[in-house]
Amino acid sequence: KNQVEQSPQSLIILEGKNCTLQCNYTVSPFSNLRWYKQDTGRGPVSLTIMTFSENTKSNGRYTATLDADTKQSSLHITASQLSDSASYICVVRQTGANNLFFGTGTRLTVIP
Amino acid sequence: NAGVTQTPKFRVLKTGQSMTLLCAQDMNHEYMYWYRQDPGMGLRLIHYSVGEGTTAKGEVPDGYNVSRLKKQNFLLGLESAAPSQTSVYFCASWGRGRHEQYFGPGTRLTVT
Repeated sequence: KNQVEQSPQSLIILEGKNCTLQCNYTVSPFSNLRWYKQDTGRGPVSLTIMTFSENTKSNGRYTATLDADTKQSSLHITASQLSDSASYICVVRQTGANNLFFGTGTRLTVIP
Repeated sequence: NAGVTQTPKFRVLKTGQSMTLLCAQDMNHEYMYWYRQDPGMGLRLIHYSVGEGTTAKGEVPDGYNVSRLKKQNFLLGLESAAPSQTSVYFCASWGRGRHEQYFGPGTRLTVT
């Protein structure tokens, strides 16, 4: 069964600290993996998209890694800011398919 | 360039009532999607469309109908609303050959 699992479910960190969010998937065949940020009351917004051949990609303070062999990805946030408080969703696209498999997200809260 | 817009933003229905949610995109995207998002669950695909005049069922299509009469619009209908359809509904669009899927701001629907 194609699944995407994320951990932790929720996380609270102090402003300025780093954190890492995890994503494991069983989607096959794999096309690409995306990380989205979803602010409360808003739609998801794409942070990074990685294909099979990419094992790291950065977007400002966000760095995503991908290990296609172990089917794991992580999202590392550096020097967190209050505005980073949001849900972060891992999404995997299956080759040839027009739809995506969504994780349940990690709810990150950054406190001053 | 408004991106993906959804109408309405909020709605309360009584069981058995009907309504239509409207999604519009101005990016000339071929693919459009309707998802629902419930607490503790990832986004789940209701229906999608790969082009004007075509629609297909997603993971949770029961109780919903869709239409794509114009390329820029994708309508989601509830013929007889049930409390189980209380959710936040997101529309998304995707251009052929592109990686990124763009989401609308969501519609919060409550069925009492």
